[in-house]
Amino acid sequence: KAGVTQTPRYLIKTRGQQVTLSCSPISGHRSVSWYQQTPGQGLQFLFEYFSETQRNKGNFPGRFSGRQFSNSRSEMNVSTLELGDSALYLCASSPMTSGLSYNEQFFGPGTRLTVL
Amino acid sequence: QQQVKQSPQSLIVQKGGISIINCAYENTAFDYFPWYQQFPGKGPALLIAIRPDVSEKKEGRFTISFNKSAKQFSLHIMDSQPGDSATYFCAASKRSGGSNYKLTFGKGTLLTVNP
Repeated sequence: KAGVTQTPRYLIKTRGQQVTLSCSPISGHRSVSWYQQTPGQGLQFLFEYFSETQRNKGNFPGRFSGRQFSNSRSEMNVSTLELGDSALYLCASSPMTSGLSYNEQFFGPGTRLTVL
Repeated sequence: QQQVKQSPQSLIVQKGGISIINCAYENTAFDYFPWYQQFPGKGPALLIAIRPDVSEKKEGRFTISFNKSAKQFSLHIMDSQPGDSATYFCAASKRSGGSNYKLTFGKGTLLTVNP
């Protein structure tokens, strides 16, 4: 099976712009989560989608949003970019089978966003 | 509030030695504890995970020890190799779906294995 893919891998934007990042989960995986990774804050949870619904959201401002499509692919959008949004944005997919499931998440390579 | 505390921040080990990384958690509702390995320029890769109903899990050179009463778990890398040099993250999660379906990560440990 192919792993989680993320596009683009690198992105340079300026303050005030908006950006959309894309994630394709592992085939058959229905849950997609997004994380922000920075040297100072480490890995922080942004949000999680399952069956096109956002089920869980981390402590990030409303400028950060996402969505999931019927094929489980997901996008995240950051509007009005700030310098502090520079980070590695990671997408992770999980099988999320029915009933109680252990949170086995598989990460993609990430999108490196630089805000100038 | 940092719910998962990881130590040390960095670790240098000689080839063939044992690397030990420790984590402590606060939320007693956590019931899944994975470890991730991350190389520069790559996303974190799931290394090994444990559930609280067992005290130890071993996969090859990697072992997780879990102490439920102390709310601590640790990663042991036996016979450490230069190729193990990477950043290691512990994490914790609740098992069920819905609003608890997220990983809370430790801050990471940069492991360097000298040849």
